Amino acid sequence: AQSVTQLDSQVPVFEEAPVELRCNYSSSVSVYLFWYVQYPNQGLQLLLKYLSGSTLVESINGFEAEFNKSQTSFHLRKPSVHISDTAEYFCAVSDQSGGYQKVTFGTGTKLQVIP
Amino acid sequence: DTEVTQTPKHLVMGMTNKKSLKCEQHMGHRAMYWYKQKAKKPPELMFVYSYEKLSINESVPSRFSPECPNSSLLNLHLHALQPEDSALYLCASSQYVSGGDGDTQYFGPGTRLTVL
Repeated sequence: AQSVTQLDSQVPVFEEAPVELRCNYSSSVSVYLFWYVQYPNQGLQLLLKYLSGSTLVESINGFEAEFNKSQTSFHLRKPSVHISDTAEYFCAVSDQSGGYQKVTFGTGTKLQVIP
Repeated sequence: DTEVTQTPKHLVMGMTNKKSLKCEQHMGHRAMYWYKQKAKKPPELMFVYSYEKLSINESVPSRFSPECPNSSLLNLHLHALQPEDSALYLCASSQYVSGGDGDTQYFGPGTRLTVL
């Protein structure tokens, strides 16, 4: 069985400061990893994903995440946050165990950017 | 285009009402999903459709009835709901049920359901 741990339920950070949102996973098979962002009263938007290849993946709005197999982590980082980054961020993992794609979400981290 | 649309955006219904939620995608995806999300919680999988056939039902009560009329449409029929069913209902789609980039699920904006 797979699981995802997001240790920080809330992360307050000042505008233009760097931020790291932590994500650790466990799975007995190869996995694909995702970060989704959810703005207030909206659905989930795919932020970035790791399927294979380069372990560093980037989004179009300045976020990046690095897949670390030995530490089973997929932390999300941004060097300088903006007010508009205030949202809930979900880390997710999917694998093929059980014969179908099963996506498991972490409990989410609320990023609060302080002006 | 990675758009999944859902209607309505908001729905208020009584416990004796019958209503339906609609989801549509035109990306040629062959897997579609319904999730339920309570406030401050991650989405919980309800149903998975693969090639228009129900492949996964995560022990969802029968008052929720999914339907996949064609490869682009997914409905969720609601009947005799309870107040605790109030939540954000999210639809998602992916290219295949398993394998490669087909594992990426794209979500719609959701329907905010309130059961009185």
